[in-house]
Amino acid sequence: DSGVTQTPKHLITATGQRVTLRCSPRSGDLSVYWYQQSLDQGLQFLIHYYNGEERAKGNILERFSAQQFPDLHSELNLSSLELGDSALYFCASSPVDKETQYFGPGTRLLVL
Amino acid sequence: GDSVTQMEGPVTLSEEAFLTINCTYTATGYPSLFWYVQYPGEGLQLLLKATKADDKGSNKGFEATYRKETTSFHLEKGSVQVSDSAVYFCALSDLSGGSNYKLTFGKGTLLTVNP
Repeated sequence: DSGVTQTPKHLITATGQRVTLRCSPRSGDLSVYWYQQSLDQGLQFLIHYYNGEERAKGNILERFSAQQFPDLHSELNLSSLELGDSALYFCASSPVDKETQYFGPGTRLLVL
Repeated sequence: GDSVTQMEGPVTLSEEAFLTINCTYTATGYPSLFWYVQYPGEGLQLLLKATKADDKGSNKGFEATYRKETTSFHLEKGSVQVSDSAVYFCALSDLSGGSNYKLTFGKGTLLTVNP
């Protein structure tokens, strides 16, 4: 157990819908990263938040957004969902100024 | 941009066999290198890491050495067990772009160990 929690574990929804994925980092970790794992693209970095502020964006679609709240949990919002958004979404957290990232169990999203 | 190339497999071995999974990288800066493992139905777990040239990361019998001259970080284990069956990801973290330690991953290698 990494100490990072993600909810829900599974999510099934329809095209055009909007969903919110939640991540709680390890106690004391200020950084939260989001990654998408799909069969065709592999594991790709989406976005990084540090202590409530966006630090960097990767291959994140405009339909996707994220935020980190004062209690340091983070949410990834996916809207106008398409079939191709079906994937495993991971969040990871890391301590201040440290490289090692600890991954949550992931949320498996299926868009029908 | 940064990239990681690893042998995609799948790799199938018998128990107690020697394992090598090759990984090479391209980075603009001076990256740290990682191996993560993903067991079926689970998230990624850090297996080992190395932060500078000639460093050897090791954990649970697995080893990898940071080779700057060949830009490689090959994963090895002398005697695999059935419980090692998983997907292994090579990754790098390059701070040259600022304070973002984002990981760039290879495509993963599925290892199956048969009794």
